[in-house]
Amino acid sequence: KAGVTQTPRYLIKTRGQQVTLSCSPISGHRSVSWYQQTPGQGLQFLFEYFSETQRNKGNFPGRFSGRQFSNSRSEMNVSTLELGDSALYLCASSLGSPIQSSYNEQFFGPGTRLTVL
Amino acid sequence: DQQVKQNSPSLSVQEGRISILNCDYTNSMFDYFLWYKKYPAEGPTFLISISSIKDKNEDGRFTVFLNKSAKHLSLHIVPSQPGDSAVYFCAASGNQFYFGTGTSLTVIP
Repeated sequence: KAGVTQTPRYLIKTRGQQVTLSCSPISGHRSVSWYQQTPGQGLQFLFEYFSETQRNKGNFPGRFSGRQFSNSRSEMNVSTLELGDSALYLCASSLGSPIQSSYNEQFFGPGTRLTVL
Repeated sequence: DQQVKQNSPSLSVQEGRISILNCDYTNSMFDYFLWYKKYPAEGPTFLISISSIKDKNEDGRFTVFLNKSAKHLSLHIVPSQPGDSAVYFCAASGNQFYFGTGTSLTVIP
């Protein structure tokens, strides 16, 4: 069974640009969550999508948005990039919402390393 | 506002000995807690979890202890093996997931 895939793996952008990251969940998984990992802050929850609907949202500005398609694939968009957006962006998929049940184990992808210059 | 904290950025342990990784949290309403393990260039992988109504959960060499009065979580690995060398994150589930900043464990052969 294929794992969670994220594209691209590496990305370099300049301040003010926008970026779209993609996540393909494990087949059959309907929940996709996104996280930002930085050295000082660890993993921070961005949002969770389930069946094309945003279920939960973390404390990030509106420049961070996402969506989920009918095949459960998800995209995350960051507009007007800032230097502080440089980070590893991880997505995780699960059968159901991991926030609602501990039985919905999250499986993480390898991440997209975004560098903003 | 860090609701889950791992105050030790790194830990070194001899092979065969016990590794103890610690985690503190501030919100008493968390439903359950988890530990993840992360190797370089890979995403975190789930290791073990514990419900907020339990105080111990064991899975092979891994045991998680929860002290609700102290708002403290710990992961014990016994015996430690070189393959356990990785970054360990604790996490808590509430209205969202909260992760600590990670502890890098090195098991010395």
